[in-house]
Amino acid sequence: SQQGEEDPQALSIQEGENATMNCSYKTSINNLQWYRQNSGRGLVHLILIRSNEREKHSGRLRVTLDTSKKSSSLLITASRAADTASYFCATIGNYQLIWGAGTKLIIKP
Amino acid sequence: GAGVSQSPSNKVTEKGKDVELRCDPISGHTALYWYRQSLGQGLEFLIYFQGNSAPDKSGLPSDRFSAERTGGSVSTLTIQRTQQEDSAVYLCASSLGTGNQPQHFGDGTRLSIL
Repeated sequence: SQQGEEDPQALSIQEGENATMNCSYKTSINNLQWYRQNSGRGLVHLILIRSNEREKHSGRLRVTLDTSKKSSSLLITASRAADTASYFCATIGNYQLIWGAGTKLIIKP
Repeated sequence: GAGVSQSPSNKVTEKGKDVELRCDPISGHTALYWYRQSLGQGLEFLIYFQGNSAPDKSGLPSDRFSAERTGGSVSTLTIQRTQQEDSAVYLCASSLGTGNQPQHFGDGTRLSIL
């Protein structure tokens, strides 16, 4: 069963704007990971945030984690057409990653 | 190449046939995962291999599904007597270990059952 739930399910913004996606989960975690998927094929790991971290940056990506609310957000700043993809959060409790259904992000030129 | 390799990339077969999907993980990665993804959905965990330990098969949807990992490297996912509901993209991932390690994915096999 899915643990993570991303929202919104779909997001369409203009190139250059910021995109924010949220993820909520149900049980305690060791870490939370965000992945990107282009065209329904393989996923690419973006960023991992550990349960004792509150914020993490990687280039144009900023991830926050609020363990009290069991939620995380992924912010993509200054979006580009190449950012068009589906974004998934995944949490790990024991050893398995448990995935949400994803947010489909469309960047309009 | 240095990434996870899956073959075939596409497979179309008739209902009732058996299919074999192959995954070649990144060299040195001890953990290997199989997932299934239906159109527009998230990933559904199928099976997990870690080193020489017994695999976690808890995600396999029926006994028609099985997987092997020979020599701790290449893995094969076999689906017997395929059904139309087996149509999906089957993704393989590997990682250095478990826990705080990111997973590296292949491009998947798109399976279509006619």
